[in-house]
Amino acid sequence: AQRVTQPEKLLSVFKGAPVELKCNYSYSGSPELFWYVQYSRQRLQLLLRHISRESIKGFTADLNKGETSFHLKKPFAQEEDSAMYYCALGRGYQKVTFGTGTKLQVIP
Amino acid sequence: GAVVSQHPSWVICKSGTSVKIECRSLDFQATTMFWYRQFPKQSLMLMATSNEGSKATYEQGVEKDKFLINHASLTLSTLTVTSAHPEDSSFYICSAPGLAGGGPETQYFGPGTRLLVL
Repeated sequence: AQRVTQPEKLLSVFKGAPVELKCNYSYSGSPELFWYVQYSRQRLQLLLRHISRESIKGFTADLNKGETSFHLKKPFAQEEDSAMYYCALGRGYQKVTFGTGTKLQVIP
Repeated sequence: GAVVSQHPSWVICKSGTSVKIECRSLDFQATTMFWYRQFPKQSLMLMATSNEGSKATYEQGVEKDKFLINHASLTLSTLTVTSAHPEDSSFYICSAPGLAGGGPETQYFGPGTRLLVL
């Protein structure tokens, strides 16, 4: 069965500190992983996907198939990064399995 | 950019009544839309896939007679919670792919509808 695990419900870091939001997955097929973000009072939106291997707003995420992980990282946290972050696994045609989410709180 | 709207944004109803939630793609057409449910402090759970011109596809464990889905046009899908009970109280979110045949990365999410059943 597909499963996405985000072990931290809340992660608090100081501004300028490194950030790592953890995500582990289980999936029998070839995984397609995503990170979504939801800022306060805004709708859910895509942050990045593993296939594109891009850096968005300073965030990067590397798919580690050996550890079945897709952790989201940023070297220097900014206050505007405070939001809810969801790791997600693409399964089949357009379907997505979401993790439980991690609330990132950046302390000024 | 593509926008997905939902109406209403929140609704309070009495137990036993039915509630209809609309999901619209405002500036693009969507032959497929997705309905999710999110309980407090929990993840978004996919409920069903809404298909324009055909029956919706429900995820395992979701009662199709309880959650009626109608994809009436290329820009509108409705979710009707029939005979709502307090345990149906939740946050309902829809999404639509902004690109025909596009994968999850093209999904645009609605703002959600909060349902409270008394």
